[in-house]
Amino acid sequence: GAVVSQHPSWVICKSGTSVKIECRSLDFQATTMFWYRQFPKQSLMLMATSNEGSKATYEQGVEKDKFLINHASLTLSTLTVTSAHPEDSSFYICSAHRGRTEAFFGQGTRLTVV
Amino acid sequence: GENVEQHPSTLSVQEGDSAVIKCTYSDSASNYFPWYKQELGKRPQLIIDIRSNVGEKKDQRIAVTLNKTAKHFSLHITETQPEDSAVYFCAAPGPGTASKLTFGTGTRLQVTL
Repeated sequence: GAVVSQHPSWVICKSGTSVKIECRSLDFQATTMFWYRQFPKQSLMLMATSNEGSKATYEQGVEKDKFLINHASLTLSTLTVTSAHPEDSSFYICSAHRGRTEAFFGQGTRLTVV
Repeated sequence: GENVEQHPSTLSVQEGDSAVIKCTYSDSASNYFPWYKQELGKRPQLIIDIRSNVGEKKDQRIAVTLNKTAKHFSLHITETQPEDSAVYFCAAPGPGTASKLTFGTGTRLQVTL
């Protein structure tokens, strides 16, 4: 299957700092990538759609100024959690579609804010 | 948008028995239904998918059935093994060129010896 690489796999940061997470499609081009958040024992909740060369589309209730998304190339999208707080601690995971529907996920990033 | 419901939330079966997980969706225009397996702390992995032009698809011990009229689809795992223990998610896409997926709430499958 296609490969989507996410980095870092885990990160611990202090409250008030920012964290950047990268999502790369390694063997195909992705004009659209998706960012999800997953709390323990819960489902994946879509946060935003990352569009190459244009602004991201955020789901209702997701603060665009807090979760900055940049999709500067066809193979890279980044999610920056700004001014992180303990409640932002979660598992963040990206996906990219090959074709219209088949989605491939990054390995996820476990963010812990202390 | 799409609304996906998944049942049961937990399922415990004995090794060798079958497991069935069911999902319903709301958008009649949805035409692609994947199932993902997620082990603890890892990424979801696509295990099988079905498109709306067929009613059933099999891959070894795994099968998916789709009832478009009733807007539900099910995952069937036969001859379950301990390594099948994981959380399983169904999903359905919304409209668009690169359709975002709406996930079900997940089913935690435990296969006991």
